[in-house]
Amino acid sequence: NSKVIQTPRYLVKGQGQKAKMRCIPEKGHPVVFWYQQNKNNEFKFLINFQNQEVLQQIDMTEKRFSAECPSNSPCSLEIQSSEAGDSALYLCASSLREGTGQLYFGEGSKLTVL
Amino acid sequence: QQKVQQSPESLSVPEGGMASLNCTSSDRNFQYFWWYRQHSGEGPKALMSIFSDGDKKEGRFTAHLNKASLHVSLHIRDSQPSDSALYFCAASDGTNAYKVIFGKGTHLHVLP
Repeated sequence: NSKVIQTPRYLVKGQGQKAKMRCIPEKGHPVVFWYQQNKNNEFKFLINFQNQEVLQQIDMTEKRFSAECPSNSPCSLEIQSSEAGDSALYLCASSLREGTGQLYFGEGSKLTVL
Repeated sequence: QQKVQQSPESLSVPEGGMASLNCTSSDRNFQYFWWYRQHSGEGPKALMSIFSDGDKKEGRFTAHLNKASLHVSLHIRDSQPSDSALYFCAASDGTNAYKVIFGKGTHLHVLP
């Protein structure tokens, strides 16, 4: 069973609505990633954090997406105004601070924008 | 430009057969390579890593890395129906930004 907990598993939103997803990383993992996996199974990196600080994020994330990883609370990814093209599986992953690329993924939150 | 390319897109092998998946990187900064497996409806799970040139064997799975050609492969011996999944190659340059790039995946179908 995955030790990275993502909620909700499914969410359905209308265009223009907010969509918020949460992630509890594996205990002791300081680095958290958010990826978007589209219907063609392609991964798009969105943002990553080390503890509460943003390491890097793509332009799309800066404009309509907001994310945070507060201490002692779940990490979250929020889409301010959902668009049809945002329909995807949003994957949260955590890792140790060693940079080799071993990520521990959650089951994902599947967003459908009608 | 996709920095990690996988082939084939889809692969069907009979139960008990050998499955061979390929991955090529276009970035010589990548030092660490992983294979991830994703079953339908689940998140990806790390299958195995390879960081040095040559072969690495774990049970029925063998990974091969050639850093000179930036080529990574995964070979699954005695394929089982439970191996049917999406397989992703992932690469990292190990920098502080922890950038991990994924390929587009190979659909493996193991036919009973």
